[in-house]
Amino acid sequence: EDQVTQSPEALRLQEGESSSLNCSYTVSGLRGLFWYRQDPGKGPEFLFTLYSAGEEKEKERLKATLTKKESFLHITAPKPEDSATYLCAPTGNQFYFGTGTSLTVIP
Amino acid sequence: KAGVTQTPRYLIKTRGQQVTLSCSPISGHRSVSWYQQTPGQGLQFLFEYFSETQRNKGNFPGRFSGRQFSNSRSEMNVSTLELGDSALYLCASSFTSDGEQFFGPGTRLTVL
Repeated sequence: EDQVTQSPEALRLQEGESSSLNCSYTVSGLRGLFWYRQDPGKGPEFLFTLYSAGEEKEKERLKATLTKKESFLHITAPKPEDSATYLCAPTGNQFYFGTGTSLTVIP
Repeated sequence: KAGVTQTPRYLIKTRGQQVTLSCSPISGHRSVSWYQQTPGQGLQFLFEYFSETQRNKGNFPGRFSGRQFSNSRSEMNVSTLELGDSALYLCASSFTSDGEQFFGPGTRLTVL
């Protein structure tokens, strides 16, 4: 059965305190893994696509990496504006969204 | 480039009624997917349409249906509403079925 698990469910960081979010998945016929950011009351906003193990993508303070069974979203020196829920979505014959990690960055 | 738009943004219905939600994708995008988002379940895939054909369907009862028009606009219908249908319904469009999806702001449905 295809499934996605994100951890931790919630994370509180001090501004500047780096950390990593985890996305573990079992998806048959994986075609790609997507990361999204969602702010309260809004639709998810696309961040990255990763297609193969070993691939890395970076955007400002965010870096996403992919292995055969996991993906990590590394946040370096976060700022309060990085506070949001981060969703991963491995894709097989459909998008499977995790329940997300709610990140709060405290000034 | 205009983003994905969804109408209405908010809806209040009573049990047993039916509802139709609308989604206009980004110009040039032919794939439209629908999701239900609730606090406990996260985003649950409903269905995907590509060039007016339903390509994939999630694990929802037949009360949930959709369609796509020749201009790629899509509608989702829920019949015989239940209290548990209260959720944020999100529409996402993409150029291809497995490409990055761009989401609309969602329709907040409350069933009383």
